[in-house]
Amino acid sequence: AQTVTQSQPEMSVQEAETVTLSCTYDTSESNYYLFWYKQPPSRQMILVIRQEAYKQQNATENRFSVNFQKAAKSFSLKISDSQLGDTAMYFCAFRRSYNTDKLIFGTGTRLQVFP
Amino acid sequence: DAGVTQSPTHLIKTRGQQVTLRCSPKSGHDTVSWYQQALGQGPQFIFQYYEEEERQRGNFPDRFSGHQFPNYSSELNVNALLLGDSALYLCASSLGRVREAFFGQGTRLTVV
Repeated sequence: AQTVTQSQPEMSVQEAETVTLSCTYDTSESNYYLFWYKQPPSRQMILVIRQEAYKQQNATENRFSVNFQKAAKSFSLKISDSQLGDTAMYFCAFRRSYNTDKLIFGTGTRLQVFP
Repeated sequence: DAGVTQSPTHLIKTRGQQVTLRCSPKSGHDTVSWYQQALGQGPQFIFQYYEEEERQRGNFPDRFSGHQFPNYSSELNVNALLLGDSALYLCASSLGRVREAFFGQGTRLTVV
């Protein structure tokens, strides 16, 4: 069975600074997807970034980038130039690459961005 | 283009009652998944519907059931409600090879 672990319940960062959120996972699969979702107080899960396991290049979306270490089963999220609007819960999620849409989530990291 | 919409947004029920939650997927999406998110936890997969059939199920009892209609909208039914069923229920729809999930804003269910 796959598991996702987020070991940082809470993080804080000052506006304009950089913060890294950690995520590790366990799976015997060789092909899969990894995701970071943001959940603001509005409750809606918003996809931040996606990584396909067969791609060696780390995904980047504007101020968001990941450090994907497949051998170590690590998938961290780096937020550069943090903004007040980045304040939210962040969830790391795993999905097998075939025959399923099922997402397996970690327990989340609450990020607070201070002015 | 409307995203995933869920109704109602909030609901209070008494133990032992039954509840129905509704979800309309993003336009063009054919698959709907339901998740339960307890307070302070990550979402847990309940089940997924495709072509009006339950395709995959998580570790939830039979009190949790669902349905998908020909227009791809979906319902989640929970019978014999327990206090522990209090949670945010999220619906997600998906389509395509990557099958990226788009989530609704959820229904907050409180069982008293």
